Formats: sequence, C-alpha cells, structure tokens
Amino acid sequence: NAGVTQTPKFQVLKTGQSMTLQCAQDMNHEYMSWYRQDPGMGLRLIHYSVGAGITDQGEVPNGYNVSRSTTEDFPLRLLSAAPSQTSVYFCASTRRGSVDGYTFGSGTRLTVV
Amino acid sequence: AQSVTQPDIHITVSEGASLELRCNYSYGATPYLFWYVQSPGQGLQLLLKYFSGDTLVQGIKGFEAEFKRSQSSFNLRKPSVHWSDAAEYFCAVDRRGSGTYKYIFGTGTRLKVLA
Repeated sequence: NAGVTQTPKFQVLKTGQSMTLQCAQDMNHEYMSWYRQDPGMGLRLIHYSVGAGITDQGEVPNGYNVSRSTTEDFPLRLLSAAPSQTSVYFCASTRRGSVDGYTFGSGTRLTVV
Repeated sequence: AQSVTQPDIHITVSEGASLELRCNYSYGATPYLFWYVQSPGQGLQLLLKYFSGDTLVQGIKGFEAEFKRSQSSFNLRKPSVHWSDAAEYFCAVDRRGSGTYKYIFGTGTRLKVLA
C-alpha cells in the first residue's frame, strides 16, 4: 500500500548506543519531516527535508542527525542515545504545493534505558 | 511567536452528545489549518483542512470545523459522538505562508466517550 513506512515499530536502547530509525515513502513526495511525540507536548519537529540533498533543523534537533540521499528515504540517526530521547517518533511526507497536509507513518516507539 | 493552543487537555462526553474541541492559533500570515486524529498506538490521520474559501469545512467521520479569523480559532465539532471517536485530536498550522512546510502542532485533546 502507498504511504509512509517506518521501521522498527518498537526499540529499546541502552544509554550511549546508536541507531537509525528508517522512514520510506513511495508517493514521490518532496517534503519529509521527523517529529517526536511526548505526553502533554504534542508533536515537535526534529528535522525536515524539502528534497534530496536538502535538510534543515526543526525545533528539537539536538542529538539527532538526518540525511536525504533519495526522494524516498529519510532516516533519523541517534548517535548516542539518552533517556531524554525516549519518545514516539513519527515520519511524515507531503508533496510540494499540496493542500492535503502531511501523511504520517505509524510511528516508532523508542525507549532508552 | 507562532503557536497553536488547545486549551482542553481532556474532554469526556456521552455517546450521542455533541462535541466541540477548541483550537486557537497565533500566526501572522494566512494560515493553513488542519485537524488530525490519533487512535491509541496509531499514527495521525487527517480529519479535515482549511486553506481558503468557505470557513466551514467538512471532514471525514462526520466532523466539521469553522475558521474564524477574528478569533484566531479553528474549532472542531461533531453533532453526535460515537464511541469509536475516542482518541486524541491535534490541531496544526502549516506555516507555508512563511515559505516552509513546517507545522506547529497543538498539545492535543484526549477525548473519552461514555457509553
């Protein structure tokens, strides 16, 4: 099915470990974003991309890296996980000029112990 | 500063009762406004959107919302709530008027429906 696919769905990390959250979309959307969702704080933008090779920081970028080598993929890297990064992470995409809003993936629930 | 406020963290209604979820925004340019719904353990699903034209917009699942520029509000309504509407609801502003597609989300309203 067309849409935004996130893997893994669940992950437990130890403090200091690194990992990559995967995000892929098959709708040829130019714009992709990563959000984290924490109780009582809504969704906060981590990083976003307006096309292959172009990324920029959102509200809470510290501790996260991104790259966009293809239109389809937008992975999020945690270089040295911290308990403060325990959260639910959502990837989203939309087409340039669209008025239909972002399409969201089903999320990755990350716990850092 | 640009912001989206959802003043009600939790709302409880009885099945069949009417519902209104409040959303206020602070944004200088013409806003693109959205309501999303999130069922437990799921991603966000678009309920409805406003970007121009008629200020009363219809969405999926029987929801509607009214854009009121004078009040900087975009409240979500449903005439008769169903038990399956229990979820968390997020209002969002698309800041494309400032040249980006970065959304600002409200903190969400969790809806509980009593049988």
